Amino acid sequence: KNEVEQSPQNLTAQEGEFITINCSYSVGISALHWLQQHPGGGIVSLFMLSSGKKKHGRLIATINIQEKHSSLHITASHPRDSAVYICAVYDYMDSNYQLIWGAGTKLIIKP
Amino acid sequence: GAVVSQHPSRVICKSGTSVKIECRSLDFQATTMFWYRQFPKKSLMLMATSNEGSKATYEQGVEKDKFLINHASLTLSTLTVTSAHPEDSSFYICSATSGAVNTEAFFGQGTRLTVV
Repeated sequence: KNEVEQSPQNLTAQEGEFITINCSYSVGISALHWLQQHPGGGIVSLFMLSSGKKKHGRLIATINIQEKHSSLHITASHPRDSAVYICAVYDYMDSNYQLIWGAGTKLIIKP
Repeated sequence: GAVVSQHPSRVICKSGTSVKIECRSLDFQATTMFWYRQFPKKSLMLMATSNEGSKATYEQGVEKDKFLINHASLTLSTLTVTSAHPEDSSFYICSATSGAVNTEAFFGQGTRLTVV
């Protein structure tokens, strides 16, 4: 079983739909990272959070530490949101960093 | 936000040659840098973690003599792919962090290496 699991693996939706991508993890973490990877490969950091909820524009990320679960929501989705969204859990122990990656969710928003 | 610059973004080289990829933190001191490799349609795979001034820690299965990592300063780490082969063709990406607890890791733009 993977330590970080994302669902769904692939998601196709129409423009304007509300999108939810889920991330569950089985390890202890310091923080959780949501990232966006564009078709060219470049990675953009969306959120890093260790509790509660963060919002940036149309993006919302939530995390439930007790349930070891995080969600990334996109409101009023747009074709330019099409990308791979990656959840990574972030641990800092004994002066060592560890980033454990989910497999990613490929999102396609159709006009 | 913090910026990490990776160069070059694309490189094509001949088999047997070496290629150096640079990763620079432009506005913060990166005590720790990570190097990743991504195969087509796959998630990122951590290759090694480097701390400034010390030897890199390589993940299992990554050849340290083939993928030379140098982190000589707080703003620069380099990955050198030595004696490149076509199977080394991949997308390589670096990330950097300042090292404080719960600080974010920032990513370079990535380098697409093609070995012909």
